[in-house]
Amino acid sequence: AQSVTQPDIHITVSEGASLELRCNYSYGATPYLFWYVQSPGQGLQLLLKYFSGDTLVQGIKGFEAEFKRSQSSFNLRKPSVHWSDAAEYFCAVGARNQGGKLIFGQGTELSVKP
Amino acid sequence: DAGVIQSPRHEVTEMGQEVTLRCKPISGHDYLFWYRQTMMRGLELLIYFNNNVPIDDSGMPEDRFSAKMPNASFSTLKIQPSEPRDSAVYFCASSLRRVSSGNTIYFGEGSWLTVV
Repeated sequence: AQSVTQPDIHITVSEGASLELRCNYSYGATPYLFWYVQSPGQGLQLLLKYFSGDTLVQGIKGFEAEFKRSQSSFNLRKPSVHWSDAAEYFCAVGARNQGGKLIFGQGTELSVKP
Repeated sequence: DAGVIQSPRHEVTEMGQEVTLRCKPISGHDYLFWYRQTMMRGLELLIYFNNNVPIDDSGMPEDRFSAKMPNASFSTLKIQPSEPRDSAVYFCASSLRRVSSGNTIYFGEGSWLTVV
């Protein structure tokens, strides 16, 4: 069965600094990969997704992620963090033979220092 | 376009009471999902429907939980009787077609349930 690991429970970065959130997955074939963001008291909003093709995907709000098959990773990056990026970030994996199922990581909470 | 609409947004109930959570998916979406979010277990898929038919309910914790989708625009998640350990945020989500075909799952804002 597929699984997702987000090794960092909480990360703090300074405003304007670069950001990388780690995501590792376990799946026998090429998965579908997603990053969602959740602000306090809100639902989840899709940042970006990877299905096939170019392994570097661009998302909303200046985020990007790179699929690295050899490392089973899909890390999320942003070159310059804004205070409004403080939120919880979830990586998720979907299996090609399981129609609608997404398995989520435990999430990484991002704090931004002024 | 309206997103996924959930009600109630917040509910506090006493142990043993019946709780019904409601969801209106995005119009035209074929798939509907119920997720539960807790600090201990994170986001868990409870059940999902395709064209109003339950496809996978393996995540439903026990018989106290039931979900229905009587038509394409409405679903309920019912807990009877409720217990304090059911306290969580319950998310409804929908997607236009299969996720495996490149479609995105859109989430509602959640129903925050507290059972005392």
